[in-house]
Amino acid sequence: SAVISQKPSRDICQRGTSLTIQCQVDSQVTMMFWYRQQPGQSLTLIATANQGSEATYESGFVIDKFPISRPNLTFSTLTVSNMSPEDSSIYLCSVDPGPLTGELFFGEGSRLTVL
Amino acid sequence: GQNIDQPTEMTATEGAIVQINCTYQTSGFNGLFWYQQHAGEAPTFLSYNVLDGLEEKGRFSSFLSRSKGYSYLLLKELQMKDSASYLCAVPVDGNNRLAFGKGNQVVVIP
Repeated sequence: SAVISQKPSRDICQRGTSLTIQCQVDSQVTMMFWYRQQPGQSLTLIATANQGSEATYESGFVIDKFPISRPNLTFSTLTVSNMSPEDSSIYLCSVDPGPLTGELFFGEGSRLTVL
Repeated sequence: GQNIDQPTEMTATEGAIVQINCTYQTSGFNGLFWYQQHAGEAPTFLSYNVLDGLEEKGRFSSFLSRSKGYSYLLLKELQMKDSASYLCAVPVDGNNRLAFGKGNQVVVIP
């Protein structure tokens, strides 16, 4: 299993600003992912955070909008850049402790509201 | 790519049984997952099926038919705490990047 801490848990942001979300895991994990869950919707994968290299983005998501860092095996950040109201969502960090069980553990999520 | 379809909402009474269906299309099947998500909380893992058939885990069971691209989650002896959204998910590839269905909201009433 894995215990994941995310912060901030929620924030209200102004249009045009950027916010960085932090994800801390209590153990070293190979696979870390960032998901978005828009109001009333399911989870959409944004990217895979790769340790020591650039993140791998899914279709529709780009690095300029969602830069991701992964300096080590226990920590990652997701930045939501130049925010607009359409970015209002819950952003969730997720890890697969392995070995390739496929069972993902999720952080509690960061609920962003963009005004 | 992958395409996952789930019905959206159902209401059931305590003690009842509900079946939540999921159909999927994916290139290169590598298992199907069910997650539970209570309102305002993170999803939690329920089950994983990679072979055809029924997997039973207490009050919850999950069934898979690979040939039909179909799975269901069976919730027995419903309790109020089972009110949640139930999401099925399939891996996009072998690295466990999961694609989630829209989820099925189950509301349990007394």
